[in-house]
Amino acid sequence: GAGVSQSPSNKVTEKGKDVELRCDPISGHTALYWYRQSLGQGLEFLIYFQGNSAPDKSGLPSDRFSAERTGGSVSTLTIQRTQQEDSAVYLCASSSPSTGRRPGTQYFGPGTRLLVL
Amino acid sequence: AQKVTQAQTEISVVEKEDVTLDCVYETRDTTYYLFWYKQPPSGELVFLIRRNSFDEQNEISGRYSWNFQKSTSSFNFTITASQVVDSAVYFCALSEAPNTGNQFYFGTGTSLTVIP
Repeated sequence: GAGVSQSPSNKVTEKGKDVELRCDPISGHTALYWYRQSLGQGLEFLIYFQGNSAPDKSGLPSDRFSAERTGGSVSTLTIQRTQQEDSAVYLCASSSPSTGRRPGTQYFGPGTRLLVL
Repeated sequence: AQKVTQAQTEISVVEKEDVTLDCVYETRDTTYYLFWYKQPPSGELVFLIRRNSFDEQNEISGRYSWNFQKSTSSFNFTITASQVVDSAVYFCALSEAPNTGNQFYFGTGTSLTVIP
């Protein structure tokens, strides 16, 4: 059974360049999350997609960050004009549909390690 | 305000010792869910357990056990007879009853090192 996959696994870019990070959720999972984890830090929530609902973008740190989810499956996180402080591991998670008020458990991908030089 | 607090940043124990990782949460919801995840050196977070706010029964899974106490808003995690493979960062997380979303709040993690 396939888990959450992310690509690339590592990305080195120059300051000012744009990057795209991809997440393939577990098949059938309607919820998808992006988090950022800086070195030695906890998880910082970025954005959440649930089915066809408008995404919760409350965690995006600036307007340089955006994400989309096409066809309710694959998601792309885009960082424009990257800065050195964007260097971090970007984690994607997906979960099965919530049942009533019961949230699905999140399953995480391996992450994309982004280094901005 | 921090919704999930893991006050222990780093813990080191000698193999075979028991260790408890603390988690204190804050919520006004009556329905919520608590989680523990393990992040080994390889980096991928692994789900360990989910508990709902209506079930305070403690749970044991092999060497792992969880103590949920609503009175103190705590959801502590104990590893019995620790092993080197338990070395990882452990995250506690809270999900409040999803009314408009399903956001999870993670603690900052506790880094556990088990010394052989």
